[in-house]
Amino acid sequence: GDSVTQTEGLVTLTEGLPVMLNCTYQSTYSPFLFWYVQHLNEAPKLLLKSFTDNKRPEHQGFHATLHKSSSSFHLQKSSAQLSDSALYYCALEGSAGNKLTFGIGTRVLVRP
Amino acid sequence: GPKVLQIPSHQIIDMGQMVTLNCDPVSNHLYFYWYKQILGQQMEFLVNFYNGKVMEKSKLFKDQFSVERPDGSYFTLKIQPTALEDSAVYFCASSLGQSQNTLYFGAGTRLSVL
Repeated sequence: GDSVTQTEGLVTLTEGLPVMLNCTYQSTYSPFLFWYVQHLNEAPKLLLKSFTDNKRPEHQGFHATLHKSSSSFHLQKSSAQLSDSALYYCALEGSAGNKLTFGIGTRVLVRP
Repeated sequence: GPKVLQIPSHQIIDMGQMVTLNCDPVSNHLYFYWYKQILGQQMEFLVNFYNGKVMEKSKLFKDQFSVERPDGSYFTLKIQPTALEDSAVYFCASSLGQSQNTLYFGAGTRLSVL
C-alpha cells in the first residue's frame, strides 16, 4: 500500500535560516504529493501540491520538487520566518482519487 | 478562504455511549471525508462520501461507525457504541471534485472516551 515518511519530531531553527523538511514515499502508482500546514489550534490547510508536468510548486516562499527517481518531495524555504512555526504534513494521493495518505508530521519551531 | 467548521471542538463521553461528530463543509463542495488521528500518530483515512453514499472506507471504519449528510445539512460521523480505542482527533474535510482537488479540513474534534 501507499506510505509516506517524514522527518520526525521537532525541527528547531533560527529565523532567517533555511528550512528543509524531508518527505519520501512509496506507492505502486504515480502519485500526486501535497504539503499541508497546521498552525496551533487551526485546521490543516494546503501549502502546495505537485504538478503533473515538471513545474516546481511554490507558495509563501516554500517550494518542493517531486523527484520520482528518489520518491521524494522535500519541502524547502530559503529563509524561515517566525510565522512558519507550525506542524507540516506530507501526503500523497495514490490510485484512489482524493484518498490521502499522510506522514506523521514534522513540527517546526522558528526562534528569533 | 473556504472554511470547514467542526462542532464541538472537544467531546468527552463514557464508553458504550453514542456520539455524533458534526461537520459543516464548504457550501458548494461535493465530496466529504473523515480522517482519524490518534495522539502521536499520523492522520488516517476513514471514509469518503459523495452523492449521499459512502464511496470508500478503510479498515478503521468499523461497523459501529456511520456517516450521513441529510438534506445538505451537517456531514456527520456517528459512533455507536463507542470504545476506548475511538479516542482520537477526528478531522472532517471537503472538496469540490476528486483527483488532485484540494481538500479543505476542519480544525478537528477531539473525542475522549472514558
